[in-house]
Amino acid sequence: QQQVKQSPQSLIVQKGGISIINCAYENTAFDYFPWYQQFPGKGPALLIAIRPDVSEKKEGRFTISFNKSAKQFSLHIMDSQPGDSATYFCAAFAGGYQKVTFGTGTKLQVIP
Amino acid sequence: EAGVAQSPRYKIIEKRQSVAFWCNPISGHATLYWYQQILGQGPKLLIQFQNNGVVDDSQLPKDRFSAERLKGVDSTLKIQPAKLEDSAVYLCASSLVTGGSVPLHFGNGTRLTVT
Repeated sequence: QQQVKQSPQSLIVQKGGISIINCAYENTAFDYFPWYQQFPGKGPALLIAIRPDVSEKKEGRFTISFNKSAKQFSLHIMDSQPGDSATYFCAAFAGGYQKVTFGTGTKLQVIP
Repeated sequence: EAGVAQSPRYKIIEKRQSVAFWCNPISGHATLYWYQQILGQGPKLLIQFQNNGVVDDSQLPKDRFSAERLKGVDSTLKIQPAKLEDSAVYLCASSLVTGGSVPLHFGNGTRLTVT
């Protein structure tokens, strides 16, 4: 029940296109959903996060869409750039001393 | 601010040997985490400290892994004896307070290869 399922495993997008990564969860106690970006040889870094009381959050070219009834959320990267090439992890957190549960990751490659 | 520091960056050992990793969190961060990231997978929490007390070590293989956080600052993670399946990147992270709703700041990790 603590799992967060992420898809696709890998994604190739042309420069200027839209990258979409999807995640689904089962545990209804999750109340905070961050996305982390990881470049090769680096640790993950927080990119954007959302709480389930809103359906969408946008920061620059990055948007999280959240569907509470379907228990799904997704990351959209608009106008994708080669510099966005990285591995993206969705995550979920249930509050208090609960641990953050990470998805399996999506390796994004943006080609010129 | 200085980020989370980890050393060494790489380590290659033979199975049944021991190894230790070191982490220095961001100054003032009360919570420190050790994650294991196997190639192609998301980070898995091994242990979480709040100051120098353990909050969660439910996924730490305690027969071979140990961790400590001295004086609520630096931390070491030890594996003894290592197994082939321990090959992974070991990430240290810290946060200002406990809770996933605050950003986790990760170090660049230690890549362990067990042969």
